[in-house]
Amino acid sequence: SQQGEEDPQALSIQEGENATMNCSYKTSINNLQWYRQNSGRGLVHLILIRSNEREKHSGRLRVTLDTSKKSSSLLITASRAADTASYFCATEGGSEKLVFGKGTKLTVNP
Amino acid sequence: DTGVSQDPRHKITKRGQNVTFRCDPISEHNRLYWYRQTLGQGPEFLTYFQNEAQLEKSRLLSDRFSAERPKGSFSTLEIQRTEQGDSAMYLCASSPRLAENSYNEQFFGPGTRLTVL
Repeated sequence: SQQGEEDPQALSIQEGENATMNCSYKTSINNLQWYRQNSGRGLVHLILIRSNEREKHSGRLRVTLDTSKKSSSLLITASRAADTASYFCATEGGSEKLVFGKGTKLTVNP
Repeated sequence: DTGVSQDPRHKITKRGQNVTFRCDPISEHNRLYWYRQTLGQGPEFLTYFQNEAQLEKSRLLSDRFSAERPKGSFSTLEIQRTEQGDSAMYLCASSPRLAENSYNEQFFGPGTRLTVL
């Protein structure tokens, strides 16, 4: 079963704009990870944030984590057409497996 | 290419047939995972191995599904008597041995897309 939900389900923006995606989850976690998936392809790991961290940056990516609200957000700044993909959050609660949400489909228009 | 590889990339089969997929993880990664992803959904965990030992299986993995990792390197996932509901993308991932206090980043292969007619 899915752990949580990403919001929005779909997002369409213009190149250069920022994109924000949210993820909510249900149970306690050790860490939360964000992955990107281009259409019909495998997943690419973007960033991992530990349960004791509140914010993390990697290039144009900024992730926040609020464990009290069981939510995370992924911000992509200065988006590019190449950022068009589906983005998934995945939680790890100590059992090795990742539990994914349903994803946000991002379209960046040139 | 030293990433995770999967074979075949696409498989079309008729209902009732058996299919087998292969996954080659990144060398020296001792953990290997199988996930299933249906259209519009996120991946769902099926099973995982640490070396050759299968340590966890999802309830999604019915008796028709079997996975092996005989030498702790590549893995196979077999589906017997396929059903139309088995149509999905089957993803394999691997991760390295976890050092103390390290975390589980998984590296995914391109997936095998199964279509059951």
